[in-house]
Parts: sequence; structure tokens; C-alpha cells
Amino acid sequence: DARVTQTPRHKVTEMGQEVTMRCQPILGHNTVFWYRQTMMQGLELLAYFRNRAPLDDSGMPKDRFSAEMPDATLATLKIQPSEPRDSAVYFCASGKDADQPQHFGDGTRLSIL
Amino acid sequence: QQQVKQSPQSLIVQKGGISIINCAYENTAFDYFPWYQQFPGKGPALLIAIRPDVSEKKEGRFTISFNKSAKQFSLHIMDSQPGDSATYFCAARLSGSARQLTFGSGTQLTVLP
Repeated sequence: DARVTQTPRHKVTEMGQEVTMRCQPILGHNTVFWYRQTMMQGLELLAYFRNRAPLDDSGMPKDRFSAEMPDATLATLKIQPSEPRDSAVYFCASGKDADQPQHFGDGTRLSIL
Repeated sequence: QQQVKQSPQSLIVQKGGISIINCAYENTAFDYFPWYQQFPGKGPALLIAIRPDVSEKKEGRFTISFNKSAKQFSLHIMDSQPGDSATYFCAARLSGSARQLTFGSGTQLTVLP
């Protein structure tokens, strides 16, 4: 089965450090989503790309978060500088197009000390 | 108006019983309602989905009931099994170009053997 691949699976780092999370969407999928999951807020959409172009990043704190798709096989989510409140599980999902179901990766569990 | 309200927060069912999870929404611009299943350490996985022109959809032991006038939809798991123990999320997707999913807060289901 084709899968969305996220790396790293776990990341522990100190406050102030840069964090980069990577996502390989399913081959042929042209929509990519970044979500953050916490106990308090549940699943929140951070950013959404279609055909590598950002369509919506209103859920992302702009001062420290950035999301890019350097090519069709790689999406990145960066936090700089990281803060303890950024601790969460970050999921990437991809879809064949906007009307098709989203397929999630297994997430990056991020802990900021 | 973007919210999807999900209940109960947790649910304990005996093996063989029926599990019922409910969701309600306000925004009539939602046009697609998926349910996701999430196991610990994994990403959400699409379980079953429905569009508002249909009142019920069944796939195996899983059924979505949809009440458009009440703006409510529910997931029924028949003959619940211990392997169904997971967190279930309802979601709703906006029509138009945006297509983001808005998730409910999740229901932690435990099926006792």
C-alpha cells in the first residue's frame, strides 16, 4: 500500500533550536496538508498545498513556522525558534486532488524542552 | 460556525455491542463528512465517509447515519470488537476551493473482551 512517510518519527530538542519535519506524500497526490495534534486542541490544520502552491497557512504562527514544498515528493515544516508550547504530534496528509480523501502519515512527535 | 462538535468524549462498550458516536455541525457549506480511526502512535485513517445527499452509508460493521435537517451525523459500529478500540474522529469538509477538513474533538472507544 502507498503511504505518506514522515521523518523523523520522534524529535526532542531544546527551546530555541530549529526543527525541520519532512513529509513524502503518496506518489501522484497533488494536495498536501500539515496538521498539529494536541490533547487540548485536537487536530488543527496548519497549512495546505495544492500542486506545491500554498493555498492556506492561516493556522500557522507566521513568526516562527514556515511550510514549503521544494518539489512534488517533499514537503517541509520548519519551526524557528522552537518553544515548549510547540510540543505536539505533527501530521502530514496527502490527497489525489481536493475532492479525494486525505491519507495521513504516522506523524512526528515533537518535544521541546 | 466552523466547528464540528463530537460526543461522547469516551465510550466503553462490551464485545458484541453497538458503539454510537455523534457529531453536529452548523455550517451548511460542509459537503463531505468522513470518519477517521486512529490507533496509538499512528495517523488517522479514513474509515467511512458520506455526502449530504445520502441519509445512510454502510460498510461492513460501520454505518454512518446523516440527518441533514438536524445537521447531525453519527457513526454506528455493530458487533463491536476489542480490535475496534481506538480514537474516532468525525470531520467535515467545506465545499468550494478551500476543501480543508474540520475535525471533531475525538472519541476514545474501548471495547471490553
